[in-house]
Amino acid sequence: GNSVTQMEGPVTLSEEAFLTINCTYTATGYPSLFWYVQYPGEGLQLLLKATKADDKGSNKGFEATYRKETTSFHLEKGSVQVSDSAVYFCALSGDNQGGKLIFGQGTELSVKP
Amino acid sequence: DADVTQTPRNRITKTGKRIMLECSQTKGHDRMYWYRQDPGLGLRLIYYSFDVKDINKGEISDGYSVSRQAQAKFSLSLESAIPNQTALYFCATRQGSYNEQFFGPGTRLTVL
Repeated sequence: GNSVTQMEGPVTLSEEAFLTINCTYTATGYPSLFWYVQYPGEGLQLLLKATKADDKGSNKGFEATYRKETTSFHLEKGSVQVSDSAVYFCALSGDNQGGKLIFGQGTELSVKP
Repeated sequence: DADVTQTPRNRITKTGKRIMLECSQTKGHDRMYWYRQDPGLGLRLIYYSFDVKDINKGEISDGYSVSRQAQAKFSLSLESAIPNQTALYFCATRQGSYNEQFFGPGTRLTVL
């Protein structure tokens, strides 16, 4: 079945450092891919998405490119801020799956001043 | 006002008790979902509903039941709560075939 694997956390970075959070997936067909962010004490918010191969999703300085050849959707940001501290979830929605999301286990990011 | 609300936000209960978690939405979306979040496991789907007459089990539905009372309301029940149902529960909505799901703020449930 469909699955998502993320790099384990926690990830601790200094402010202005470069961020990469790896995400790989297993799915049949052509899933849509998502990154959600969960700030402390809050629900999940969609950060960015990509619906077909080679699409690049971007938002708030974060980017991720849908790579079908490597079944990956890695999240990157060139310069993180303290306010980016949160848990990041990679997720997919498969073909004909009723919109169900399959989530990775989440990666906690802590950014220090 | 929040588009997707959940009540209660926090609940502590005892083993064997019946618990209902409620979700309401003002987005007018037809699809609603219940997930649970456990540390290190991400979110897993419990139940989902395409409309008031269409309820489907997710990957971890055992020990749970749901009710779609109206398009805007989707409740999750634990008939007889057990400690391993201690988790953070999220409701989400989606409109038709659009990709994005919108999440509520979550309910933290502790079963003693």
